Amino acid sequence: DGGITQSPKYLFRKEGQNVTLSCEQNLNHDAMYWYRQDPGQGLRLIYYSQIVNDFQKGDIAEGYSVSREKKESFPLTVTSAQKNPTAFYLCASISGNNGYTFGSGTRLTVV
Amino acid sequence: EDQVTQSPEALRLQEGESSSLNCSYTVSGLRGLFWYRQDPGKGPEFLFTLYSAGEEKEKERLKATLTKKESFLHITAPKPEDSATYLCAVFSGGYNKLIFGAGTRLAVHP
Repeated sequence: DGGITQSPKYLFRKEGQNVTLSCEQNLNHDAMYWYRQDPGQGLRLIYYSQIVNDFQKGDIAEGYSVSREKKESFPLTVTSAQKNPTAFYLCASISGNNGYTFGSGTRLTVV
Repeated sequence: EDQVTQSPEALRLQEGESSSLNCSYTVSGLRGLFWYRQDPGKGPEFLFTLYSAGEEKEKERLKATLTKKESFLHITAPKPEDSATYLCAVFSGGYNKLIFGAGTRLAVHP
């Protein structure tokens, strides 16, 4: 079945450490997105990519970086510059008139 | 600035007690309003897309409606399995970016 796979499901980060969240899709979608979800807040856009080798900052890009070397893959790196990284991270791709298809998410916790 | 506001933040219903969730939006040129269901610890699951005022969509116990300023998600005779957070979103700006409301947490008790 086609879909979006996010890994790992749970991730723990130590202070000062960079961590990378994986997002892979086999839907043949051009556009992919990363959102952050905090309790009581809506999803906030971190980065998005419309096409391979191109990406744009979203509303809260500081402390994050991405790459888009392949159509299927859009990894997100949470750098040490992100001071409050504990959150639920969601990857999505555009699915025509259905809006986004989402992955199952990665929960990142600072320890 | 484009904005989506959902109310109430939380809603507790008895099984069979019908109600409605509200999504108010401000956007320059609506290109689509979306409803998603999200279970704890999981990614949002698509429910409906609405494009123009007056449009309605139905799926089982759920019915979504749209006006020029807001959308409603009506839940008829809910069951405990309908308990989830319901998210509303609209396309904002270019590049098919979705902006989301904070969601409504629905709890349906037997």
